[in-house]
Amino acid sequence: IQMTQSPSSVSASVGDRVTITCRASQGTSSWLAWYQQKPGKAPELLIYAVSTLQSGVPSRFSGSGSGTDFTLTISSLQPEDFATYYCQQGTSFPITFGQGTRLEIK
Amino acid sequence: QLQLQESGPGLVKPSETLSLTCTVSGGSISSYSSYWGWVRQPPGKGLEWIAFIYYSGSTYYNPSLESRVTISVDTSKNQLSLKLNSVTAADTAVYYCARFLYYSCTACHTFDYWGQGTLVTVSS
Repeated sequence: IQMTQSPSSVSASVGDRVTITCRASQGTSSWLAWYQQKPGKAPELLIYAVSTLQSGVPSRFSGSGSGTDFTLTISSLQPEDFATYYCQQGTSFPITFGQGTRLEIK
Repeated sequence: QLQLQESGPGLVKPSETLSLTCTVSGGSISSYSSYWGWVRQPPGKGLEWIAFIYYSGSTYYNPSLESRVTISVDTSKNQLSLKLNSVTAADTAVYYCARFLYYSCTACHTFDYWGQGTLVTVSS
């Protein structure tokens, strides 16, 4: 299953609302996750099963979607949110990731 | 707190074999719910899943790499290993080991714990 994220990069300001989209080439059921990666660090799990926040993840992050179209929304950007975000499907092998969305400070 | 730590050579020559080990601490690699695997990231690029293994030895490989990859587990040492043969410059990447939840889990089919990653450069 190929995962396509859009946009590839986005510039935003602290306090902005940002939405990142992930489209699967075929249905992924509910095994859709989002990760945040900061420079020089390993990815961190943010959201699993489309919309469930991993323990410790702030509530300004939310996920939604079904079938082939999924979104990650950050309701009010904080300075620590500027990073690269990846979606990942776990429905079928091979496990695949989106190409990433780089969130930059405007 | 579960911790994963990758180790291995940072430089490998073209056509040779890349070998990495991941040591798991703070938990057992023989966990019922978990597969253990490898994900790589070429410099400036995205994430690519390589393979994972269950403590019993059951494996899954990415078809794009399967012909060159071997993953193994040593439950007595709480370690997993990766071998990638016939490497080229395209295999230069940060290699991460990670836990993949699979059975009887809430965050199923995700990588919930990651090592810090190790950069492997393929160059003569």
